[in-house]
Amino acid sequence: RKEVEQDPGPFNVPEGATVAFNCTYSNSASQSFFWYRQDCRKEPKLLMSVYSSGNEDGRFTAQLNRASQYISLLIRDSKLSDSATYLCVVNGPSSYKLIFGSGTRLLVRP
Amino acid sequence: NAGVTQTPKFRVLKTGQSMTLLCAQDMNHEYMYWYRQDPGMGLRLIHYSVGEGTTAKGEVPDGYNVSRLKKQNFLLGLESAAPSQTSVYFCASGTSGSSYNEQFFGPGTRLTVL
Repeated sequence: RKEVEQDPGPFNVPEGATVAFNCTYSNSASQSFFWYRQDCRKEPKLLMSVYSSGNEDGRFTAQLNRASQYISLLIRDSKLSDSATYLCVVNGPSSYKLIFGSGTRLLVRP
Repeated sequence: NAGVTQTPKFRVLKTGQSMTLLCAQDMNHEYMYWYRQDPGMGLRLIHYSVGEGTTAKGEVPDGYNVSRLKKQNFLLGLESAAPSQTSVYFCASGTSGSSYNEQFFGPGTRLTVL
């Protein structure tokens, strides 16, 4: 079993749609959770951290369910510029090491 | 600030050749990392460093060596390149001693081994 699992997609949605991505992780001791965004042929960049109580940043909402070891990302009012791969990330056995999921690809069409 | 930079951006090697990838960061970060990214595999940690003069193996270290002689630089070496090392290599750096351990990535090096 992979340490961080994501549906690879692609998710193909029209502009304005709401889309949700899910991720599961295997290490119950993980303390830090993130969503990174990676554009085609570019480096990953931090989109947002995920806090236990859930958090929102504009059109993006992240949720964490520790009991189920499950993380989600909700994107409202999708824009063409949201087209990218979204990486679910959790910290590994050492706090300074991160484990990356393989990513979920999002395509937003006009 | 330039953030994290990597050189070269692209490279083609023949099997058996050697090369060194250079990563530099100007954020005074303690931690530095080398990853490789292959289709469908996600980012896999090759080696990492928790400070100047220290390095450690990651998930896929075979065939690679690293050095961290200066805090701002982290070098990745391939002594005898193999086609299986064709990949995109990303360097990253991060802060220490915090649960908020965001990593900042360089633009990547695309390596092809023929």
